[in-house]
Amino acid sequence: QSALTQPASVSGSPGQSITISCTGTNSDVGAYNFVSWYQQHPGKAPKRTIYEVSNRPSGVSYRLSGSKSGNTASLTISGLQAEDEADYYCSSYTTSSTLVFGGGTKLTVL
Amino acid sequence: QVQLQESGPGLVKPSETLSLTCSVSGASISDYFWSWVRQPAGMGLEWLGRIIPSGSTNYNPSLKSRVTVSRDTSKNHFSLTLSSVTAADTAVYYCARWDQGGIKDWGQGTLVTVSS
Repeated sequence: QSALTQPASVSGSPGQSITISCTGTNSDVGAYNFVSWYQQHPGKAPKRTIYEVSNRPSGVSYRLSGSKSGNTASLTISGLQAEDEADYYCSSYTTSSTLVFGGGTKLTVL
Repeated sequence: QVQLQESGPGLVKPSETLSLTCSVSGASISDYFWSWVRQPAGMGLEWLGRIIPSGSTNYNPSLKSRVTVSRDTSKNHFSLTLSSVTAADTAVYYCARWDQGGIKDWGQGTLVTVSS
């Protein structure tokens, strides 16, 4: 299985909004609404911030939102804050009953 | 609150078998789906495999011939074995709980280095 495609890096200034895309195929992102997004700070384990395309776990900021269109999912972070600077990964359940991750996106808050 | 803790050797010789165990507290491993994920230094996440309540398993096709996920319900832990390791298998290995189509809970991770 091939990794989902994410931009290597995105950046934005405090208060701005950014969007990270995650492109897959009809066998993963396009097949189910089982896309998750994870935030990972250096040296830490990942933390899930979005599940099932657009649901936020308890405790995750409302500034994070997810969506999907066809084979591409997106994570939007509004009102950027310094604490949002981290690596972000998407994942999708696949038609082979496996999980595939994106290559990761480094978010820099300028 | 589910907690996961990886344990196992931090150093494995090339061509040998990597074995890790994940101890679970706060949940019965018989009731949920469990996974292993790894991350080489400076690189992205790679899903390795999972075991589901029935005991069935699914694996990353690129590693399927080398990876095994198993469980011991009496000890409430699950395990990873990866055979014929090379330097490319050097990574932080995470055990995790699978839920809602992805990874919900993560262990802290354990670094495994493959070197002679």
